[in-house]
Amino acid sequence: AQKITQTQPGMFVQEKEAVTLDCTYDTSDPSYGLFWYKQPSSGEMIFLIYQGSYDQQNATEGRYSLNFQKARKSANLVISASQLGDSAMYFCAMREGLGGNKLVFGAGTILRVKS
Amino acid sequence: EPEVTQTPSHQVTQMGQEVILRCVPISNHLYFYWYRQILGQKVEFLVSFYNNEISEKSEIFDDQFSVERPDGSNFTLKIRSTKLEDSAMYFCATPRGSRGTEAFFGQGTRLTVV
Repeated sequence: AQKITQTQPGMFVQEKEAVTLDCTYDTSDPSYGLFWYKQPSSGEMIFLIYQGSYDQQNATEGRYSLNFQKARKSANLVISASQLGDSAMYFCAMREGLGGNKLVFGAGTILRVKS
Repeated sequence: EPEVTQTPSHQVTQMGQEVILRCVPISNHLYFYWYRQILGQKVEFLVSFYNNEISEKSEIFDDQFSVERPDGSNFTLKIRSTKLEDSAMYFCATPRGSRGTEAFFGQGTRLTVV
C-alpha cells in the first residue's frame, strides 16, 4: 500500500488566490511526522512545513499552513495568496517513528499559478 | 546559508565509471541521508547514516553503492560502476530544527550517465 498519496497530478490557481494540495498517508505508528517540500524547476528540494503527529495545532509557516486531520489521515498543504513564484512541484512526505528515520515521499503535485 | 552543500552540481560520466558525490554539512549532524530522484519521478530513499555507520538502506542501495565519511565532516556517496539507470538527481539531507524534526536537503547533484 502507498504510504503517501497525492491524488492531484497538476493544479492551477489564479494569482493571489489560495490553493489546497492534497496529501493522505498510511501508517500504524502513533509517532510520525509529515513534511511538505517545494521543488522548483531548478531541482532543489525546499523544506516548507512540518507537522508532528502529536502536535495539537496545525502547523503554519508564513503563507503555508498544513491542514492536519489525524482521523482522516490527511495533511493537506494550503498556500494562501498565491504568487507566480509558487509555480513548482510540491511533495508531501512522511517519517514514521521518532528520530532519524527516512522520509517516504508522495508522487508530487505540479502547481501552476496563473497571472 | 544552506544546511548542506553538495558537489558537484552536475556530473556527466561514462557508463561503467566510478563517481563520487560529496556533501558537506554546515553543522555537525549525526544523521545523514542520501535520496535519489529519477527525472519526473518521486524522491526515493537510498541510505541513512548515523554516527558513522549505515543505519538503514533501501533495495536500491546495492553493492554498487557505498557511503563514507572520509574526514569526519564530508559525506560521500560512491557509485562503483555506473549504469544508464543511475542517471538521476542525488540529494543528501540532514535533520534540523529544535526537535531535530525538519529535514533539509542539499541542492542536489544531477548525475548523467552516458
